[in-house]
Amino acid sequence: AQSVTQPDIHITVSEGASLELRCNYSYGATPYLFWYVQSPGQGLQLLLKYFSGDTLVQGIKGFEAEFKRSQSSFNLRKPSVHWSDAAEYFCAVVPILTGGGNKLTFGTGTQLKVEL
Amino acid sequence: GAGVSQSPRYKVAKRGQDVALRCDPISGHVSLFWYQQALGQGPEFLTYFQNEAQLDKSGLPSDRFFAERPEGSVSTLKIQRTQQEDSAVYLCASSLLRVDTEAFFGQGTRLTVV
Repeated sequence: AQSVTQPDIHITVSEGASLELRCNYSYGATPYLFWYVQSPGQGLQLLLKYFSGDTLVQGIKGFEAEFKRSQSSFNLRKPSVHWSDAAEYFCAVVPILTGGGNKLTFGTGTQLKVEL
Repeated sequence: GAGVSQSPRYKVAKRGQDVALRCDPISGHVSLFWYQQALGQGPEFLTYFQNEAQLDKSGLPSDRFFAERPEGSVSTLKIQRTQQEDSAVYLCASSLLRVDTEAFFGQGTRLTVV
């Protein structure tokens, strides 16, 4: 079955430490891949996206993600976390062959806590 | 407007009451989506419009849920005879037509059914 998996429900890191949030997908063909961030009371904000080409994608707020076809993964990374990065992070996909527009399928999210 | 606007931001409904949630997308965005986000979960797709045409309603959980976008701009999600399990945040997103374009989300409407 097609799915998006975020294996870590909660992650706690110290401010200034590096961060990696995991995302795996299960689709017949590589879908379009996205990472969104959701702060309390806020809508979803796009951090970065991968459609094709360079497998290392740069996004906003110092985030990057690496697409690894062999592992069906699209992990999100940040070299040095800031307290303001505390939020919930969602990996999402859009199947390439779709007649339904860019309908997103989301993972269950990873809640990031930053310790000062 | 500058972004996707949803109203109301919060809605408390008594069980059995009908509710209507409004979404005002970014001007010129052809595609409009509704998602439902239960507490502690990721958003789940409800329905999709391309202009005024509802092309996909496969995510609507029951026939109590109805969405419309009569003029291809503002959309309304209506829930009839609300139940407690309908309590969630309802998110609206809009985008240009191309599949590889970014979807912009509103802040959502938090519906609580008591």
